[in-house]
Amino acid sequence: AQSVTQLGSHVSVSEGALVLLRCNYSSSVPPYLFWYVQYPNQGLQLLLKYTTGATLVKGINGFEAEFKKSETSFHLTKPSAHMSDAAEYFCAVSLSGGYNKLIFGAGTRLAVHP
Amino acid sequence: EPEVTQTPSHQVTQMGQEVILRCVPISNHLYFYWYRQILGQKVEFLVSFYNNEISEKSEIFDDQFSVERPDGSNFTLKIRSTKLEDSAMYFCASRGEQGSYNSPLHFGNGTRLTVT
Repeated sequence: AQSVTQLGSHVSVSEGALVLLRCNYSSSVPPYLFWYVQYPNQGLQLLLKYTTGATLVKGINGFEAEFKKSETSFHLTKPSAHMSDAAEYFCAVSLSGGYNKLIFGAGTRLAVHP
Repeated sequence: EPEVTQTPSHQVTQMGQEVILRCVPISNHLYFYWYRQILGQKVEFLVSFYNNEISEKSEIFDDQFSVERPDGSNFTLKIRSTKLEDSAMYFCASRGEQGSYNSPLHFGNGTRLTVT
């Protein structure tokens, strides 16, 4: 069975600081991995995805994530936080070869303070 | 950019009442989904729909739930007799235009359902 664990339900950083949101997954088959962002009162917006190929994937708004199979991790990073990055971030996994059912992590709320 | 639209944004209903949540997926998409998020909990898969039938459903999606694509544009989720524990944010999603199997999900902004 697949599952996703996001370490830290709340993360707070200063503007300009590194953002690191952690995600570990379990999957019996090669996974597809995703990060979604949810701004207040909005839906889930895809930040980036890993399917196959290059393990470092770049997404929108300066975010990137690295798939590390040996660590079963897919941590999300951004070198320099901006106030507008404050949102909830969800890591998700699905079976490779399809996008049918996403299994989401519990989410990490990112706060950015001046 | 095309988007998934959901109406209403907030629905309040009394326990035992039927409720229909409406979604207009992106027009050329072929796969449709409902997810829900109970306040403070994970986003959970409810059901996927393709070629006018359910392709997969979760344990949550019991006989009280049904989905329908009544015309070429709408995708609805019906809860027959709502319970207090149905209170949640319900997200519709779509993906996969013809010939593009490996496309990601696009989510709507959600409908917040409050059962009193």
